[in-house]
Amino acid sequence: DTGVSQNPRHKITKRGQNVTFRCDPISEHNRLYWYRQTLGQGPEFLTYFQNEAQLEKSRLLSDRFSAERPKGSFSTLEIQRTEQGDSAMYLCASSPAGGGANVLTFGAGSRLTVL
Amino acid sequence: LAKTTQPISMDSYEGQEVNITCSHNNIATNDYITWYQQFPSQGPRFIIQGYKTKVTNEVASLFIPADRKSSTLSLPRVSLSDTAVYYCLVGERDDKIIFGKGTRLHILP
Repeated sequence: DTGVSQNPRHKITKRGQNVTFRCDPISEHNRLYWYRQTLGQGPEFLTYFQNEAQLEKSRLLSDRFSAERPKGSFSTLEIQRTEQGDSAMYLCASSPAGGGANVLTFGAGSRLTVL
Repeated sequence: LAKTTQPISMDSYEGQEVNITCSHNNIATNDYITWYQQFPSQGPRFIIQGYKTKVTNEVASLFIPADRKSSTLSLPRVSLSDTAVYYCLVGERDDKIIFGKGTRLHILP
């Protein structure tokens, strides 16, 4: 297992365009999380899934943001009509649900720059 | 979720032991204390987790007093590569995990 994989690692787009990020979690992990991080700040929680069910969404996740995990494996985070304020690092993490320590394994992130 | 307070930044020198203290006065009975480390341009990495007393692994030690209102992450004999941001989090095992701003640790030669 290669850990949590995120693609693309970097994305530069123009304001108003749509972007999509993909996250492939650790295969046996059924929880998947999305965070956003801007310079100098800690990661901000966006949403998380248990299998294919989206259990919670942050108020930060405006109508322009949508996340899916259709088969309970990989997940996508789409941002429609991007704004300059969406520029950030988008982090994905996964964990096994219940049982032992709820420890997240993070990917390296997808950095978005909106011009 | 219990709120945590930790220093914004700390400096230390190579070879020293570094202790980062986190306050969590409103910790609940079922809450665990977890520390993460984050290097620039990488996602956070789990370091250590504990409930009470002392926990030690190959990376760090975590000291938790009896009242559990604070915790101290101890990094033995730090090196330049320990320069990173360290996050203290408190919550139940199955909670969503909320990060604060963390402590920026800068190790000097």
